[in-house]
Amino acid sequence: NAGVMQNPRHLVRRRGQEARLRCSPMKGHSHVYWYRQLPEEGLKFMVYLQKENIIDESGMPKERFSAEFPKEGPSILRIQQVVRGDSAAYFCASSPIGKGDLHFGNGTRLTVT
Amino acid sequence: AQTVTQSQPEMSVQEAETVTLSCTYDTSESDYYLFWYKQPPSRQMILVIRQEAYKQQNATENRFSVNFQKAAKSFSLKISDSQLGDAAMYFCAYRSAGNYGGSQGNLIFGKGTKLSVKP
Repeated sequence: NAGVMQNPRHLVRRRGQEARLRCSPMKGHSHVYWYRQLPEEGLKFMVYLQKENIIDESGMPKERFSAEFPKEGPSILRIQQVVRGDSAAYFCASSPIGKGDLHFGNGTRLTVT
Repeated sequence: AQTVTQSQPEMSVQEAETVTLSCTYDTSESDYYLFWYKQPPSRQMILVIRQEAYKQQNATENRFSVNFQKAAKSFSLKISDSQLGDAAMYFCAYRSAGNYGGSQGNLIFGKGTKLSVKP
């Protein structure tokens, strides 16, 4: 039973490029959460999605960031026109129900050069 | 808004000894969950232990146990018989269990404590 799968594991982008981070939740999980971890910091909530719906995006920057969780396929976190401050580890977590325990992926480390 | 504070950026313990990691939190809610997560250098987030606020009994998982003091809003993690594999960052986290509104499931993390284990 595969866990939460995130890819790529590492992503390098130049300033101004777009970054697309993918997350496949555990089988049977329909709730996905994205978190960002800056160096020497804990994880900070960004967005909570269910299939085809954004439930809570209160932690997402208003510009350049977007997320989706389509009916078919993985959840995508998209960062447009990346800047150096976007360099961080981005984690995805899933749960079978909204109040279930979260299962985390191994994260994607984004480096903006 | 809820906050989680871990006041020990780094801790060190001798192998086979016991260490306690501190965590305090602030909330006006009465129903919530508390968690300890372990993050080794591999970056994987591993759930160590969870505590439901309505339960008075402290949670235990093998060598890991918590001291949950609801009135003091304190939630410390005790690791007994420390092993080299316990070396990692440890994060305390809070989650509301209440109104299942838009933020349900959202975890609020502390900044972490880096635990070193000396052989």
